[in-house]
Amino acid sequence: QVQLVQSETEVKNPGSSVRVSCKASGDNFRNFAYSWVRQAPGQGLDWMGGIIPLIRQAFYAQRFQGRLTITADESTTTAFMELTNLQSEDTALYFCARGGSGWSYLDYWGLGTLITVSA
Amino acid sequence: QSALTQPASVSGSPGQSITISCTGTRSNVGGYDRVSWYQQHPGKAPKLLIYDVTYRPSGISDRFSGSKSANTASLTISGLQPDDEAAYYCTSYTDTTTLVLFGGGTRVTVL
Repeated sequence: QVQLVQSETEVKNPGSSVRVSCKASGDNFRNFAYSWVRQAPGQGLDWMGGIIPLIRQAFYAQRFQGRLTITADESTTTAFMELTNLQSEDTALYFCARGGSGWSYLDYWGLGTLITVSA
Repeated sequence: QSALTQPASVSGSPGQSITISCTGTRSNVGGYDRVSWYQQHPGKAPKLLIYDVTYRPSGISDRFSGSKSANTASLTISGLQPDDEAAYYCTSYTDTTTLVLFGGGTRVTVL
């Protein structure tokens, strides 16, 4: 059974960075796409970007270009998301999710990591 | 890039059918059969209901069905049940650098 286990809640200062991890269990880690989706309090879902370990390529939503880095470590079957220059608007629940490499679905989701940005 | 357009809310009585629309453009919904739908209960992670417009993952009730016409995809929930009360989101692949677009979400209320 596939599980995505995310790192714990964090509180960050404005201007700082955060790195969230997502450890995947199950087979064929490298053959799937791993997306990061965030949800601000009371708001909808927002795709930030994703990575396909097989081709070692990350893709980013235009509005996060320049301050978002997504990586994957095949040896530990873990995906990472690092967001820099955090602002209060980045306060959200951050989900990792696994999907097909065609970016057409997200079939397994982590429970989410709450990131609060506050002075 | 703007999110896909969904109605903010839809309601129905138990046993009824409801349909949620998801409108995009030829660059996303209209151009590719890569539309998926998710159900999210408060405080929970989203759950995949439909992928590639019409397909249901294993374990998803056949009360949920998907379709598409031109630039608009639709999710139909038949035989509405109290547990169907949740937020529903559509997504589509898009041929821009953003790759994946979400709809704004639809709150379903079971009267």
